[in-house]
Amino acid sequence: DGGITQSPKYLFRKEGQNVTLSCEQNLNHDAMYWYRQDPGQGLRLIYYSQIVNDFQKGDIAEGYSVSREKKESFPLTVTSAQKNPTAFYLCASSRGPNQETQYFGPGTRLLVL
Amino acid sequence: SQKIEQNSEALNIQEGKTATLTCNYTNYSPAYLQWYRQDPGRGPVFLLLIRENEKEKRKERLKVTFDTTLKQSLFHITASQPADSATYLCALLNNAGNMLTFGGGTRLMVKP
Repeated sequence: DGGITQSPKYLFRKEGQNVTLSCEQNLNHDAMYWYRQDPGQGLRLIYYSQIVNDFQKGDIAEGYSVSREKKESFPLTVTSAQKNPTAFYLCASSRGPNQETQYFGPGTRLLVL
Repeated sequence: SQKIEQNSEALNIQEGKTATLTCNYTNYSPAYLQWYRQDPGRGPVFLLLIRENEKEKRKERLKVTFDTTLKQSLFHITASQPADSATYLCALLNNAGNMLTFGGGTRLMVKP
């Protein structure tokens, strides 16, 4: 059963704390992406990776960090520098770096305590 | 500046009618445009991709048009059903060809 999994479904962050959101895919896709979605808004690109051990900043990378040590995994860390982290975070993948047809995970909702 | 505009107001239609959603863009020269469906609390699901040299594309009850002169795409759902109720997002490849940029989406409500 191929697809993208994200965990946890809900995540609570205390002030000053770093938290890491997991994203795994078994589609053998080269490219992976992280988006942030605020209520009633579209998706904004945080980071993307077109190949293992390489990643690029998107439109709103400040306060976030990523790694791509394995093809199937692309974790996102929300650091304490991100002052407004409450949002719905979506991970996606595509077959190649040409950005066509992205497949999305179920999302992680991050809430600040 | 680059902008993608979708009607932020919900579109309410009666079951059986055709729903038409609009995606307008400025300062883009996209090689293609995509439409996604998103249900509440879930990730978007890809529906259709239309390239700049295509005027129209169909998939079952869905039809997408792409007018690069007007800088507009129209997304039609014919014989709409309550199960079609969702938010529909359009997405464009940016001019550098390295990022897919999403519109804010339009919520469609199909009433029985």
